[in-house]
Amino acid sequence: EPEVTQTPSHQVTQMGQEVILRCVPISNHLYFYWYRQILGQKVEFLVSFYNNEISEKSEIFDDQFSVERPDGSNFTLKIRSTKLEDSAMYFCASRRGLGNTIYFGEGSWLTVV
Amino acid sequence: SQELEQSPQSLIVQEGKNLTINCTSSKTLYGLYWYKQKYGEGLIFLMMLQKGGEEKSHEKITAKLDEKKQQSSLHITASQPSHAGIYLCGADIAQKLVFGQGTRLTINP
Repeated sequence: EPEVTQTPSHQVTQMGQEVILRCVPISNHLYFYWYRQILGQKVEFLVSFYNNEISEKSEIFDDQFSVERPDGSNFTLKIRSTKLEDSAMYFCASRRGLGNTIYFGEGSWLTVV
Repeated sequence: SQELEQSPQSLIVQEGKNLTINCTSSKTLYGLYWYKQKYGEGLIFLMMLQKGGEEKSHEKITAKLDEKKQQSSLHITASQPSHAGIYLCGADIAQKLVFGQGTRLTINP
């Protein structure tokens, strides 16, 4: 069964460093998402992406965050200058169309020290 | 904004017992998802409900969406240790999912 894949599974980075989290959505899907889950808390929406542009972003998704679909298969989340409070599990998700099931990847644990 | 409230927040049941988790919305639900998450791991899709009164089952897990489409329940029959985890409901709103806070399920032998 097709699945959303994410790399790395775990990354430790120093505060102030740039981080890129990578995702390969399911191949025929058109809508892409990033979510965040701070340990023990809710899964929170960060950003949605469709037709090569951001369709919606939350207040969490400030100027330190950016997303890109560089080559038609990868979907990346960049955090420009990481802060301690960016430590969380980041989930990528995709769906074929509106009203279709959203599938999530296994997540990337980011620890900022 | 639409809020999802899950109850209970945590649940401990003995293996073999039935249990129900509820998800209540402040507004009409146009798509309601149930996911399961092992602590610190990814979200596993369980079921999606869209129509009022709809009910779906997968193995021993049944989910329903009420007629008014503002509440969904997840019912597990004859619980097993493999059912342990965090159950999340998510509402399909404006092209994205908004999640409840989750229900942590523990199964005692």
